Amino acid sequence: IAGITQAPTSQILAAGRRMTLRCTQDMRHNAMYWYRQDLGLGLRLIHYSNTAGTTGKGEVPDGYSVSRANTDDFPLTLASAVPSQTSVYFCASSEGGGSTDTQYFGPGTRLTVL
Amino acid sequence: GESVGLHLPTLSVQEGDNSIINCAYSNSASDYFIWYKQESGKGPQFIIDIRSNMDKRQGQRVTVLLNKTVKHLSLQIAATQPGDSAVYFCAENRISSASKIIFGSGTRLSIRP
Repeated sequence: IAGITQAPTSQILAAGRRMTLRCTQDMRHNAMYWYRQDLGLGLRLIHYSNTAGTTGKGEVPDGYSVSRANTDDFPLTLASAVPSQTSVYFCASSEGGGSTDTQYFGPGTRLTVL
Repeated sequence: GESVGLHLPTLSVQEGDNSIINCAYSNSASDYFIWYKQESGKGPQFIIDIRSNMDKRQGQRVTVLLNKTVKHLSLQIAATQPGDSAVYFCAENRISSASKIIFGSGTRLSIRP
């Protein structure tokens, strides 16, 4: 069982380009999340999905979009990347979307926007 | 405002000693707290959690203490090992709400041989 996989591992992107970060889980978890992690800051929630077909905005959603067409996949799209989106992005999943459901994290994608 | 933060950004501990990592929170409505460990190049990993109706909870080599009076929680690691080197995050949430977890900024734990 792989758990959560993310792709790519790292990416350097020119400003203004479109980019989709991929996230797949094989645990049949209902809820999935996208976080960004910046130096000196904790993880900040970008978007989440409590179940397939639904999404919600987190703390820092601007400039990002997500979709949840099925249980396993939760891609994060940057429509027009800007340098401030340089960060490490983590995808996570939990069995349910409840406040006490343990979240399991992927290995992260390091994104640099020039 | 709401914040979850740490007293110290770094902590250096002798191998074999006990480690204590501290965390302060400001939202008195928070009633669920979690500690995560993040090793270099990896995603965060759940360590232990505690609800506000408890003051202490123990796991394998780890203990979390919660002091609601001063809005403080700590993670104690017994007999610290080289594999404990990581960044440790506390996080908080409110059980009865639809809110999502808020993470603190983390403490880096380094182990001296």
